[in-house]
Amino acid sequence: AQTVTQSQPEMSVQEAETVTLSCTYDTSENNYYLFWYKQPPSRQMILVIRQEAYKQQNATENRFSVNFQKAAKSFSLKISDSQLGDTAMYFCASDSGGSNYKLTFGKGTLLTVNP
Amino acid sequence: NAGVTQTPKFQVLKTGQSMTLQCAQDMNHNSMYWYRQDPGMGLRLIYYSASEGTTDKGEVPNGYNVSRLNKREFSLRLESAAPSQTSVYFCASGRVFDSPLHFGNGTRLTVT
Repeated sequence: AQTVTQSQPEMSVQEAETVTLSCTYDTSENNYYLFWYKQPPSRQMILVIRQEAYKQQNATENRFSVNFQKAAKSFSLKISDSQLGDTAMYFCASDSGGSNYKLTFGKGTLLTVNP
Repeated sequence: NAGVTQTPKFQVLKTGQSMTLQCAQDMNHNSMYWYRQDPGMGLRLIYYSASEGTTDKGEVPNGYNVSRLNKREFSLRLESAAPSQTSVYFCASGRVFDSPLHFGNGTRLTVT
């Protein structure tokens, strides 16, 4: 079974600073996808960024970027120039590969951005 | 675009009661999913449907049943609710393996 581990239950950062959220995963697949989702207090699940495992280049989306280390099975999220609106729960997720596509989620990291 | 629509948004049940959570998507996705979210546990997969007419168990299927009514709709049924099923339930849908899941806004269920 796939596992996704987020070792930081809570983190905080000052507005305008940079923060990195950690994620490790375990899969036997060679081709798979990794995702970071954001869940603000509204409870809505919002895709932040995704990474294709066969691509060596790290994905970036505006202030969000990842550090993908395939051999180490590590997939961290870096948020630059943190904003108050970034306050949310962040979930790392890995897909199962193969024909039956489903996501396995980590337990989440609660990020608080302080003014 | 409505995306993924879940009903109801909130529900309170007594132990032993039954109910069905409804989910519909208008994005022509093949795959649909039911997750539950509990504090400190992340999202755990209950059941999923890779295509119309098929359903499979996820990580925590006990106490639940599902129906893939058609390509748009995927319902989750609790036949005899238990306090352990108090949770927030999310329905999601997806197109193919390389696309992200689209989530509904969740149903907060309390079983007393």
